[in-house]
Amino acid sequence: GAVVSQHPSRVICKSGTSVKIECRSLDFQATTMFWYRQFPKKSLMLMATSNEGSKATYEQGVEKDKFLINHASLTLSTLTVTSAHPEDSSFYICSARGGRGETEAFFGQGTRLTVV
Amino acid sequence: DQQVKQNSPSLSVQEGRISILNCDYTNSMFDYFLWYKKYPAEGPTFLISISSIKDKNEDGRFTVFLNKSAKHLSLHIVPSQPGDSAVYFCAAFVQGGSEKLVFGKGTKLTVNP
Repeated sequence: GAVVSQHPSRVICKSGTSVKIECRSLDFQATTMFWYRQFPKKSLMLMATSNEGSKATYEQGVEKDKFLINHASLTLSTLTVTSAHPEDSSFYICSARGGRGETEAFFGQGTRLTVV
Repeated sequence: DQQVKQNSPSLSVQEGRISILNCDYTNSMFDYFLWYKKYPAEGPTFLISISSIKDKNEDGRFTVFLNKSAKHLSLHIVPSQPGDSAVYFCAAFVQGGSEKLVFGKGTKLTVNP
């Protein structure tokens, strides 16, 4: 299947700093990318949907100024957690899908963020 | 409102036996369904999918069944292997719509040797 690479896999940062997570589709053009967050013992929570070249659409309750999403090219989307706090510590996962008609979404490996 | 429900948080089966993971949905607009497998601290891996125009899709040891009238789908794994132990997520979306995947909460499968 298609490959989606997410980097870094683990990051520890100090409270108040910002962290950038990258999501790359390696062998296909991802017109749509999704960012998820997984809480312990809970499902994947969709944070936002981004389409290449346009602003991300955030889910209700997700702070767009805190979780900045950029989808500047068809192979790269970034999630920046700004002014991170310990409660932002979580597992973040991106997924990517090709154009309409492409029904499978391929997931990155995830990023474990720990804010200390 | 949870549109995709996996009512069993966990399932334990013996190696070699069949594992059946269930998923129910409430949104009749969903027309494409997927199953993902997830190991701890990793991203989900796509397993198998099914379109609403079908009622069964098979891929090796994995078979997904869809009952549209009951808004129910299931994933059968046979024979189950210890390496199948993971959390399995059911997901659904509307093709041509927002295309957002809606996930269930997952079922943790443990296959005992």
